[in-house]
Order: sequence, then structure tokens, then C-alpha cells
Amino acid sequence: DIVLTQSPALAVSLGQRATISCRASESVRSSMHWYQQKSGQQPKLLIYGASNLASGVPARFSGSGSGTDFTFTIDPVEADDIATYYCQQSRNDYTFGAGTKLELK
Amino acid sequence: QVNLQESGPGIVKPSQPLSVTCSVTGYSITTSYYYWNWIRKFPGNKLEWMGYISYDGSIYYNPSLKSRISITRDTSKNQFFLQLNTVTTEDTAVYYCARHRGYNPFDYWGQGVMVTVSS
Repeated sequence: DIVLTQSPALAVSLGQRATISCRASESVRSSMHWYQQKSGQQPKLLIYGASNLASGVPARFSGSGSGTDFTFTIDPVEADDIATYYCQQSRNDYTFGAGTKLELK
Repeated sequence: QVNLQESGPGIVKPSQPLSVTCSVTGYSITTSYYYWNWIRKFPGNKLEWMGYISYDGSIYYNPSLKSRISITRDTSKNQFFLQLNTVTTEDTAVYYCARHRGYNPFDYWGQGVMVTVSS
């Protein structure tokens, strides 16, 4: 299995930039995707193919990276962005990171 | 508009089979080249992909579940199904169905159904 490693939590202030990293145990090329999940809801696709914005997603969200190192950014952070964010690879089967909980400072 | 909706038993006794249904509206599950998946989220927030059934009926399971899982479909009702055998309390989770294509992400998800394994 390809293991995806994310930091467990990140505290940010409203209006600031939030950056979440995801490291893969082997190359996934650009087959990395990012989801937002709020309590009691299903995951929502935000970024696909490492850097492509999903339909209807605000341009405050962005992604970058390839191979094994990926970054997801929210700039600026709004109150509605408080949630858990997951990376997911589709290069070799399908695995998810453990999630990064975005919290307010 | 693609919509997926899970339905399930709520509570299952240990060692019994767990069965969940995903009803799809707005899109045919036989449309090339889409795959219809089961994914679960454990109480500690870990997400696990379980397996899929494809547009042409082929199936693929997570190797860690291969001995216990079965995914089938009813194309006349546009539904697909998950059966997980010999469950334990460690199978307690929210079960989601979701769609994807090729190397692409899971773009549509159901709302999820909580299944608790308890005697």
C-alpha cells in the first residue's frame, strides 16, 4: 500500500494562509487529490490531479506538487473552511491520508 | 445531477454479515468508464477504500478485505451493494458509496450510513 502522511492538525487565524502537506511513501506522479470533510457530511472534492480546482470550488483553494510531496493551500482562510482535510492517491489502488484538522487560533 | 444514497441496517451483531445498498439517481451505473466504490470511515477518522464494481460488472477489492467482501449490482434498479462477512466491532464505521473514473478522484459521494457492530 502507498502510505500518505499528513500532519494531524493546523491552527490558523482567519484571513491568513493555511498550508497542509502530504507525503507519499512512493511516487504517485500527479494522481493526488484533496477533500474537505465537515462533521456529519461526506467528503467534498476540492483539488484533483494535484493542482486542478474542482468545479464550483473557490480559487482560495489550491494544490501543488508531484511525485511524493504535495501541498494544499487555503488563502485566505475563512470561517467556513474549518474542517478536516484529506489527501488521497489513485496511482496504485486508493489510499487516504489520516487527515489534517484545521482549527482557529 | 448525480446522486448517491446509502441505506443499511444501523446495527449488526458480531459474526453476522453487514449489507449496505447504494441507490444511484441521475446517472447510469453502466455508463463507460465509471467505477462505483465503497469507502468507510472509522470512528478515529481513518478513511479506507474497500472495493469497486465497474460499469461492465468487473470487481476489485482491497486486498486486506478480499476474504470477507462482496460487491454486486442490480442494473435494473441502478443500485450496487456491499456485503461484508463475519464482522467484528472493528467494522463499526460510516459506510459511503462513491464514483470515480480511472486515475481520477472520487467525485460524487453519498451522505454515508453509520453501521455499528454490537451484540
